Amino acid sequence: QVQLVQSGAEVKKPGASVKLSCKASGYTFTSYAIHWVRQAPGQWLEWMGYINTDNGNTKNSQKFQGRLTITGDKSASTAYMELSSLRSEDTAVYYCARDPTYYDFRSDVYRTKDYFDSWGQGTLVTVSS
Amino acid sequence: SYVLTQPPSVSVAPGQTARITCGGSDIGSKNVHWYQQKPGQAPMLVVYDDSDRPSGIPERFSGSNSGNTATLTISRVEAGDEADYYCQVWDSGSDPYVFGTGTKVTVL
Repeated sequence: QVQLVQSGAEVKKPGASVKLSCKASGYTFTSYAIHWVRQAPGQWLEWMGYINTDNGNTKNSQKFQGRLTITGDKSASTAYMELSSLRSEDTAVYYCARDPTYYDFRSDVYRTKDYFDSWGQGTLVTVSS
Repeated sequence: SYVLTQPPSVSVAPGQTARITCGGSDIGSKNVHWYQQKPGQAPMLVVYDDSDRPSGIPERFSGSNSGNTATLTISRVEAGDEADYYCQVWDSGSDPYVFGTGTKVTVL
């Protein structure tokens, strides 16, 4: 069955970086984009960025420009999210989620369907001095 | 950036119908997706592309979208439907994936 398994909880000091992983199984890794979404305590979901797992292209939310790096390893069916210059407001549960892709014959490109049909279990990142 | 507004809470008795709205400018022109999130769990997709259901999601969950409001309807509500529900769209702006503010559904 489809699974996205994320790495374990992290505690970091302000100014540090954190790198999380998301290992996919049960489907063809390159047929789905992987997004990262976070949720601060008691707050709603916030989209951070995504990676096209086939060609490695990424797009990040403007909010995280310069601090967020998303990468992927096709051979390991794993996506990674690194967030730098951490501050207390980055304390949150971080989720990876997959987004189906399809081939647009008219444009001759692969597109994402722009919804998240399977999610990882989440990783709690705590930023505290 | 695009904004999606949801009521903070909806209360419903078992067996009745819950309607959760998601407001956005001309949202009817976009595809709306809905997620259910129970406490301590990851979100789960319950409706995509306005009104389609992933396999395994009961027919009790349905969606509609027109004008400036999209709606998730849960018929014959059960205790297990108690959760937070989020709408989500893709927008052409700089932050293309937008979530609503979430609605807590309480089963009385």
